[in-house]
Amino acid sequence: QSALTQPRSVSGSPGQSVTISCTGTSSDVGGYNYVSWYQQHPGKAPKVMIYDVTKRPSGVPDRFSGSKSGNTASLTISGLQAEDEADYYCCSYAGSSYVFGTGTKVTVL
Amino acid sequence: EVQLVESGGGLVQPGGSLRLSCAASGFTFSDHLMDWVRQAPGKGLEWVGRIKNKANSYTTEYAASVKGRFTISRDDSKNSLYLQMNSLKTEDTAVYYCARAYNWNYDVWGKGTTVTVSS
Repeated sequence: QSALTQPRSVSGSPGQSVTISCTGTSSDVGGYNYVSWYQQHPGKAPKVMIYDVTKRPSGVPDRFSGSKSGNTASLTISGLQAEDEADYYCCSYAGSSYVFGTGTKVTVL
Repeated sequence: EVQLVESGGGLVQPGGSLRLSCAASGFTFSDHLMDWVRQAPGKGLEWVGRIKNKANSYTTEYAASVKGRFTISRDDSKNSLYLQMNSLKTEDTAVYYCARAYNWNYDVWGKGTTVTVSS
């Protein structure tokens, strides 16, 4: 199972919006509505930000949103804030296994 | 407080073995499916495997990269998850996280334990 493809990095100024793509195949992203997104600050454990493509856990700011079209899922951060600077990973169920994305570093300029 | 705490990491030679543990607290451990996820230095997250709960016959699933070498087990009476790693390779060097699976995502993570495979 190959890793899902994410851009290596994205950046934006405070208040702007950024979108991270996550491209897989019909065997993972395209085949199930079970894509989740994780935020990871340096030296810390990942934290779920979005699950089931579009759902946001309680406590996650509503500036984080998710979507999916075909084999590509996306995470959008609206109203970028300094604390959003981190690595982000998508993850998809792939039928008896899971596959993570390659990771995207979000930089707040 | 819901918590997962990994232990057992360390330095091991190629071909060696190591057993990781994950102690759970603050929730009904026996109800949940539990996974191991690893992260090599400077790299991304990689799913290692899963053990389901009693209701799902404690079924295990593994990534192709570790199948046949790693074994996941659990002891619900001790609220503990384990990862037995045999025939270790240098590419198994990573931080190993245990994570609680909830509806096809991971809602609770431990802080990780570091495994270094080197001669």
